[in-house]
Amino acid sequence: DAKTTQPTSMDCAEGRAANLPCNHSTISGNEYVYWYRQIHSQGPQYIIHGLKNNETNEMASLIITEDRKSSTLILPHATLRDTAVYYCIVRPHTGRRALTFGSGTRLQVQP
Amino acid sequence: EAGVAQSPRYKIIEKRQSVAFWCNPISGHATLYWYQQILGQGPKLLIQFQNNGVVDDSQLPKDRFSAERLKGVDSTLKIQPAKLEDSAVYLCASSSFGTSGRIGNGELFFGEGSRLTVL
Repeated sequence: DAKTTQPTSMDCAEGRAANLPCNHSTISGNEYVYWYRQIHSQGPQYIIHGLKNNETNEMASLIITEDRKSSTLILPHATLRDTAVYYCIVRPHTGRRALTFGSGTRLQVQP
Repeated sequence: EAGVAQSPRYKIIEKRQSVAFWCNPISGHATLYWYQQILGQGPKLLIQFQNNGVVDDSQLPKDRFSAERLKGVDSTLKIQPAKLEDSAVYLCASSSFGTSGRIGNGELFFGEGSRLTVL
């Protein structure tokens, strides 16, 4: 699976948008970008995934650059409950291969 | 639908003792995963099952770790004998990949984990 690079940590003010970047310059054509988050003392939770088009769901938006070498997860109105470690993962969509987690970005939402 | 169930939530043992963790995946999910998460790190895959067969156990320390999913439903992960470096959270996850008639997006559903402390 392609390797991803994320900042170690980020802060965001409550109510503001949180923009979490991810670099995946070695992504191959059949690999999707997945985002998961892990709130303290819980297991990781799926947020969103995409191939090349921007995606939006009730939790977040995913913006993937045209060359697919990077992406940004956007939490439009961050709340204190969004404080978590966010993982960007790339892998084929078939699902056969397990997720390979890096260290992620620790997002701290400040009141 | 009920989520992934794991037990126990917490376990403290002495080194060289043995421990077992249990996982019940989401009903009907064919694929089950065990991950190890050491404090401050992302989860690391230990073993992946599809039904009762092993898909990937390349990162499982087979001299001390074992896992089984005999009937293709729930699973047990065992450590014997435990070492200090086995202190971690053991996460179980399941997905609909490989489930007949199910079209999933590759999403994994995780349990809350079992926290192991080895003294």
